[in-house]
Amino acid sequence: KNQVEQSPQSLIILEGKNCTLQCNYTVSPFSNLRWYKQDTGRGPVSLTIMTFSENTKSNGRYTATLDADTKQSSLHITASQLSDSASYICVVSQSNAGNNRKLIWGLGTSLAVNP
Amino acid sequence: DAGVIQSPRHEVTEMGQEVTLRCKPISGHDYLFWYRQTMMRGLELLIYFNNNVPIDDSGMPEDRFSAKMPNASFSTLKIQPSEPRDSAVYFCASSLRPIDRAKNIQYFGAGTRLSVL
Repeated sequence: KNQVEQSPQSLIILEGKNCTLQCNYTVSPFSNLRWYKQDTGRGPVSLTIMTFSENTKSNGRYTATLDADTKQSSLHITASQLSDSASYICVVSQSNAGNNRKLIWGLGTSLAVNP
Repeated sequence: DAGVIQSPRHEVTEMGQEVTLRCKPISGHDYLFWYRQTMMRGLELLIYFNNNVPIDDSGMPEDRFSAKMPNASFSTLKIQPSEPRDSAVYFCASSLRPIDRAKNIQYFGAGTRLSVL
């Protein structure tokens, strides 16, 4: 079964600290993996997209890693800020022949950054 | 561009009533997606269109749900009759490229929070 599992479900850290969010997937065949940030009351916003051949991709203080062999990804946030408080969602793209294309969404990790 | 625009932002209705959600995608985007988000199930793709044509509606929960895209700048998601279990946040998104392409970025609207009493 195609699944995307994220951990932890929720996380509380102090402003200025680093944190790492995890994503494990069983989606096959794999096309790409993306991380989204969703602020409360808003739609998700794309942070990074990685293909099979990419191990690391950065977007400011956000760094995503991908290990396609173990089917794991992580999102590392450096020097957290209050504005990083949000839900972070891992999404894996599945691509079969023809038009059977799907995005498999994780349930997200809810991050709270406290002053 | 103003981004993906959804209306209304909030909708409260009674069970059995018809509900219509509206979406204006980003100009020039050929793909439009409707999602539903709940705490238990996260984001679920309901249906997506390419050049106004429905491509995959396998996520539409049942016949009470229908979606249309009469032109490139407007889409609706209709629920008739609505039920309490339809309460969720409904998102519309649009993109330039196909759903699985590496450079595909989906741009989401702010969502419609639907409460069916």
